[in-house]
Amino acid sequence: DTGVSQDPRHKITKRGQNVTFRCDPISEHNRLYWYRQTLGQGPEFLTYFQNEAQLEKSRLLSDRFSAERPKGSFSTLEIQRTEQGDSAMYLCASSLGGWGEAFFGQGTRLTVV
Amino acid sequence: GIQVEQSPPDLILQEGANSTLRCNFSDSVNNLQWFHQNPWGQLINLFYIPSGTKQNGRLSATTVATERYSLLYISSSQTTDSGVYFCAVIGKAAGNKLTFGGGTRVLVKP
Repeated sequence: DTGVSQDPRHKITKRGQNVTFRCDPISEHNRLYWYRQTLGQGPEFLTYFQNEAQLEKSRLLSDRFSAERPKGSFSTLEIQRTEQGDSAMYLCASSLGGWGEAFFGQGTRLTVV
Repeated sequence: GIQVEQSPPDLILQEGANSTLRCNFSDSVNNLQWFHQNPWGQLINLFYIPSGTKQNGRLSATTVATERYSLLYISSSQTTDSGVYFCAVIGKAAGNKLTFGGGTRVLVKP
């Protein structure tokens, strides 16, 4: 098991384009989280899944953001009509159960130009 | 939701010095973790410690759940200890999401 994997590691996109990120959690973990982190700040919660069910979404997750975890394994985070303010590191984490130790992937760094 | 505050926000150490980082939280917790964020942005797990004391090499942590704080101790600091240290909790009353503090930025000078 190689831990939580995120793809791509870096993404540069033009304003207005759509982007999609992928997260592969640790195989036996049923909980999956997405966070966003901007320079000098702590990670901010975006959403989380228990198996395939999306249980909570932050107010930060505007209508342009959507996340899925169709079979309770990998997850995707899509941002439509990207804006410069979307530039950030997007982090994915997984855990076993609601209170289990969470492990993070290496993140996807998005730059919107 | 639960509030997590870390102190100090910044810490500059001479190599070999000891230090203590603090994490205060506003409600009872089911999970508390300490992370070290490396220069490439990855969060490295240091401790899963909702209560009690743990040690791992030069690092140790103590969580006093009844008083709602946790401490991370770094002994004999090395330049590789530089980076940002985050405390994150899952509150009992706040739903099952990991909430982060603002971090402590540590710089260890040779």
